[in-house]
Amino acid sequence: GIQVEQSPPDLILQEGANSTLRCNFSDSVNNLQWFHQNPWGQLINLFYIPSGTKQNGRLSATTVATERYSLLYISSSQTTDSGVYFCAVARDDKIIFGKGTRLHILP
Amino acid sequence: DTEVTQTPKHLVMGMTNKKSLKCEQHMGHRAMYWYKQKAKKPPELMFVYSYEKLSINESVPSRFSPECPNSSLLNLHLHALQPEDSALYLCASSLRDSTYEQYFGPGTRLTVT
Repeated sequence: GIQVEQSPPDLILQEGANSTLRCNFSDSVNNLQWFHQNPWGQLINLFYIPSGTKQNGRLSATTVATERYSLLYISSSQTTDSGVYFCAVARDDKIIFGKGTRLHILP
Repeated sequence: DTEVTQTPKHLVMGMTNKKSLKCEQHMGHRAMYWYKQKAKKPPELMFVYSYEKLSINESVPSRFSPECPNSSLLNLHLHALQPEDSALYLCASSLRDSTYEQYFGPGTRLTVT
């Protein structure tokens, strides 16, 4: 099956810093999403991005499907950005999540 | 409205109990999903329903029994669970299949004693 690898696994930053999270996948996919999981467990949709580039406020994402990776950029981090960031890919109706990047923003 | 609701929020059950988890969406989505998430792990797909029919069962033990009574509702019936089944159970839906954006409910935190 498809392998999904996220890096880095953990990231500690000062408030105001920028960060780049990476998601590599081992085969072609039909879908790719980025989620933020808050401390209560809710998965919040950030981007639905099977290919191309999207921006939403301080966050942006780029997926290069032909090279099998996606990047999530967070600029001017705030403490509320803390949590776990997951990428999830879909192929043949199966959805596989990466292990996530745990982000901690210090005030 | 992009809301998926799940009830109950928390559930504690003994190993001999029978209980059910409920998931509902009113977005007209025709694909619905159950996931299991253990602490500090990613969500793992359990079941996929497509147009009210079970399309994927990821080798889940039979003590978990899914049901999709209509296009808006998804249940997960639980029977004779083990303590290792304690986890966050997440429901999701998408418009037609997994190529579309998935929306998740807030989850049910299950503890098996």
